[in-house]
Amino acid sequence: GQQLNQSPQSMFIQEGEDVSMNCTSSSIFNTWLWYKQDPGEGPVLLIALYKAGELTSNGRLTAQFGITRKDSFLNISASIPSDVGIYFCAGPPTGNQFYFGTGTSLTVIP
Amino acid sequence: DVKVTQSSRYLVKRTGEKVFLECVQDMDHENMFWYRQDPGLGLRLIYFSYDVKMKEKGDIPEGYSVSREKKERFSLILESASTNQTSMYLCASSLKTPYGYTFGSGTRLTVV
Repeated sequence: GQQLNQSPQSMFIQEGEDVSMNCTSSSIFNTWLWYKQDPGEGPVLLIALYKAGELTSNGRLTAQFGITRKDSFLNISASIPSDVGIYFCAGPPTGNQFYFGTGTSLTVIP
Repeated sequence: DVKVTQSSRYLVKRTGEKVFLECVQDMDHENMFWYRQDPGLGLRLIYFSYDVKMKEKGDIPEGYSVSREKKERFSLILESASTNQTSMYLCASSLKTPYGYTFGSGTRLTVV
């Protein structure tokens, strides 16, 4: 199946630091989604991107749809302990099926 | 508040047992999906359904089957549970033309 390469695989940061992660695909996507999964829970949608070059914010989170349509980026500013979790990118190369990245595990050290 | 509900948060089953994982959504979504999640492997699609009584294999269907008799319910069946099926199972649903998935809280299955 389609693979999305997400990096980094894990991050350990101090509270207050900014975070950056990215996702790349071998296929062109028309939509990029970013999800967060809290420990022991299902993923929850954070940000959806529908247009190449689009930059969208949700509070301290900002995501960008890469111009090549094969990548996307997520930034978290001024991290806090509740940002802990796994962040997934997702997109549909074709049809109605979304594929997911392998996730970035974020640990915030108070 | 729209919801995808998975019937169990935690399950422990014995090797060889037939296991049913149930998922119900209240959003009138056409599409439903079953994923399993394992450390380092991300989310892998097991089966999905775009309509009642319709099912399609995902990337890792071996050892699993599904049932969708009603639009709101999508069941995952482990015909004969094995230890390598110990995992977190996530159900999701979406509109026919999806803007994203809504996930359930997951079922953590342990096969002993």
